[in-house]
Amino acid sequence: QSVLTQPPSASGTPGQRVTISCSGSSSNIGSHTVNWYQQLPGTAPKLLIYSNNQRPSGVPDRFSGSKSGTSASLAISGLQSEDEADYYCAAWDGSLNGWVFGGGTKLTVL
Amino acid sequence: EVQLLESGGGLVQPGGSLRLSCAASGFTFNNYAMSWVRQAPGKGLEWVSAISGSSDSSYFADSVRGRFTISRDNSKNTLYLQIISLRAEDTAVYYCAKDIGGLRGFDYWGQGTLVTVSS
Repeated sequence: QSVLTQPPSASGTPGQRVTISCSGSSSNIGSHTVNWYQQLPGTAPKLLIYSNNQRPSGVPDRFSGSKSGTSASLAISGLQSEDEADYYCAAWDGSLNGWVFGGGTKLTVL
Repeated sequence: EVQLLESGGGLVQPGGSLRLSCAASGFTFNNYAMSWVRQAPGKGLEWVSAISGSSDSSYFADSVRGRFTISRDNSKNTLYLQIISLRAEDTAVYYCAKDIGGLRGFDYWGQGTLVTVSS
């Protein structure tokens, strides 16, 4: 059971906008920033969003992040087939004194 | 270019021990905290341990505390994870990851090293 809660799956058609939610608590998302990772099959995770809504250089602006209270969301607009991957949210947890991850969301592009 | 290269994984019997290494290059190693994150086959990401740039602070997930030791040698730009009393549930790909700083996440990851615990 992951500390952060994500839906196990999401889907969309090319060109659509999809959102993935991430729910936590006051000790993690409520008091620390959220980051998002994309993991393509058979590869290492890649940072997609940090500090709730910042994109590292090279990440397309189709990807955006937001946070409100103890929840966060990742939005992907203009969905492309190459976006098919697993997506994870993460945040520092001040009570556990460690990083916590969501269980991951498998995005399927139909 | 930042590179993280893990090594040391392999097949180990239950109760055995192992030391994983992560060779870093392309950045000022001692300026950044580093973490180990693992992923069991077909499962999600699980943070395991972190260490500050100067090694004055280290942190562990409850699931591994007491069996895992994290360390670093800044003169060799290398991160380590010593694992003892290995269990079947420790079977996973172990990634090392570079901290951005300020608890903002991990901006670079290694390719991972597979640890399999089986008799």
